[in-house]
Amino acid sequence: AQSVTQLGSHVSVSEGALVLLRCNYSSSVPPYLFWYVQYPNQGLQLLLKYTTGATLVKGINGFEAEFKKSETSFHLTKPSAHMSDAAEYFCAVSHGGSNYKLTFGKGTLLTVNP
Amino acid sequence: NAGVTQTPKFRILKIGQSMTLQCTQDMNHNYMYWYRQDPGMGLKLIYYSVGAGITDKGEVPNGYNVSRSTTEDFPLRLELAAPSQTSVYFCASSQTDAGGTYEQYFGPGTRLTVT
Repeated sequence: AQSVTQLGSHVSVSEGALVLLRCNYSSSVPPYLFWYVQYPNQGLQLLLKYTTGATLVKGINGFEAEFKKSETSFHLTKPSAHMSDAAEYFCAVSHGGSNYKLTFGKGTLLTVNP
Repeated sequence: NAGVTQTPKFRILKIGQSMTLQCTQDMNHNYMYWYRQDPGMGLKLIYYSVGAGITDKGEVPNGYNVSRSTTEDFPLRLELAAPSQTSVYFCASSQTDAGGTYEQYFGPGTRLTVT
């Protein structure tokens, strides 16, 4: 069965600092991996996704993530945090044979301090 | 396109009452989903549908029912509401893309309180 672990339920950074949000997954088949962002009182929207091919994927708003099979990780990074990045971030993995279904991590709340 | 719309935005129910959460998408997606989100717990799949007339249980289906009579609509029914159903409910839809993945598009959510 697929599962996702997000390390750190709350990450706080200063404006301009590096953002690193950690995600580890388990999957019995090559996974499809996703990062979603949720702004306060809104639904989720896709930041980026990994399917196959290049392991470094770029998303919206300057975020990127690297798929590392050997580490079963898909960490999300952004070189310089902006106040508008404050939100909750969810990592998700698709279900092998039914890859239209996703398993979500518990989320990481990112706070950006001025 | 409006995308995925949900009504109502907020609702307070008394224990034992019933209600239907509405979800509509205008993207002609075959796949639709209902999730609940509880603080610190991420999203849990309640029910999903792979097309009109076809529904299946997700991870936490107890206390809920769904139907899918059209491609566009996927209502979620709560019978005999309980305090444990206090949550934020999200509807989502998806369709396969050229890469074979299914990006899910989410509605704005319904915040439900059962007292």
